[in-house]
Amino acid sequence: DAGVIQSPRHEVTEMGQEVTLRCKPISGHNSLFWYRQTMMRGLELLIYFNNNVPIDDSGMPEDRFSAKMPNASFSTLKIQPSEPRDSAVYFCASRRGTALSNEKLFFGSGTQLSVL
Amino acid sequence: AQKVTQAQTEISVVEKEDVTLDCVYETRDTTYYLFWYKQPPSGELVFLIRRNSFDEQNEISGRYSWNFQKSTSSFNFTITASQVVDSAVYFCALSEEAAAGNKLTFGGGTRVLVKP
Repeated sequence: DAGVIQSPRHEVTEMGQEVTLRCKPISGHNSLFWYRQTMMRGLELLIYFNNNVPIDDSGMPEDRFSAKMPNASFSTLKIQPSEPRDSAVYFCASRRGTALSNEKLFFGSGTQLSVL
Repeated sequence: AQKVTQAQTEISVVEKEDVTLDCVYETRDTTYYLFWYKQPPSGELVFLIRRNSFDEQNEISGRYSWNFQKSTSSFNFTITASQVVDSAVYFCALSEEAAAGNKLTFGGGTRVLVKP
């Protein structure tokens, strides 16, 4: 299995630009999670989907952030407009099942975002 | 309130020494799951172990061992005879069955540096 695939691996952009991060979960996984990792705040859950439906987006920091999952094999996290404080590593993770909290998360390699 | 606390931010040891990483959690659920993940310098998050709240048996996997103590709400992780390749950030995480979507909450992580 290919694992969770994220693109791009690195993104450098200027403040005010739109940024789109992409994720392909593992085939057959029903839940998808977006996390953000910073030195100050550690790993924060931004949003997660069950069966392509957003369940909890309370971790999304501002209206500038939005996430979609149009189908079971693709999700995007968009930041518009981007700001320097959005600089972080963004991880996507997927999991088999929806209400099975004992299932482990499989993480992608992350997208290192730098907003200048 | 923080649900997962890893009080040690960084631990430095010399190769072959043992190192124990502390993890203390908070939950009102009777059913919950605890995890450890490893994040090596390459950045990806690697699953190490999952333990449910009804199984307090300690577990050993090679040089890794875990001590789960419900009485003290702790799930500590020990690396025996550490090696340079063990250098990484280690995260403890909690998933509560009652939480919508059973989302995973991470501790702040402990950076382990193993010197040759």
